[in-house]
Amino acid sequence: AQTVTQSQPEMSVQEAETVTLSCTYDTSESDYYLFWYKQPPSRQMILVIRQEAYKQQNATENRFSVNFQKAAKSFSLKISDSQLGDAAMYFCAFIDSGTYKYIFGTGTRLKVLA
Amino acid sequence: NAGVMQNPRHLVRRRGQEARLRCSPMKGHSHVYWYRQLPEEGLKFMVYLQKENIIDESGMPKERFSAEFPKEGPSILRIQQVVRGDSAAYFCASSPEGQPVDEKLFFGSGTQLSVL
Repeated sequence: AQTVTQSQPEMSVQEAETVTLSCTYDTSESDYYLFWYKQPPSRQMILVIRQEAYKQQNATENRFSVNFQKAAKSFSLKISDSQLGDAAMYFCAFIDSGTYKYIFGTGTRLKVLA
Repeated sequence: NAGVMQNPRHLVRRRGQEARLRCSPMKGHSHVYWYRQLPEEGLKFMVYLQKENIIDESGMPKERFSAEFPKEGPSILRIQQVVRGDSAAYFCASSPEGQPVDEKLFFGSGTQLSVL
């Protein structure tokens, strides 16, 4: 069965510092996609970053970048220059190519300290 | 172009009542997906619908839960005889025909169902 594991229920980071959120997954497929979603208190699910498994290059979106280790099935999110607005729940998610069911982790609550 | 619209945003029901959750997909989207988020958990797939068709309901509880996406109007997730364990945030997402969902899934803001 495909699973996504986020082993850090909560993380804290000082404003302007860097934080890394971890995610591991399990699948027997070779073609798939990985995502990080941000869920602020408003509950809106906001796509932060997306990674195709066939791409070796790590995805980057402004202050957000990933460290994708396909062999280790690891997909961590690095947030640089953390801002107060980054405080939220962060969910790692996975989907096999050609399917439609997203598999989500249990989330990491990120607190940003002023 | 409005996003995925869900209403109500909050819904309070007493045990045994019925809950109806509505989802209007983004304009031009014909595929709708419902996910449930229990407290302190990630979202879990419930059902996938296209207009007038249920494609996959493997994530739906066997009893009391049903979903529809009629030719006209929003998609409805219906929970009959609610119990406290149904308390959760219910999210709807949509995608356009022909576009794989691994590109991006557009989520609504969810309906928080509280069962007293």
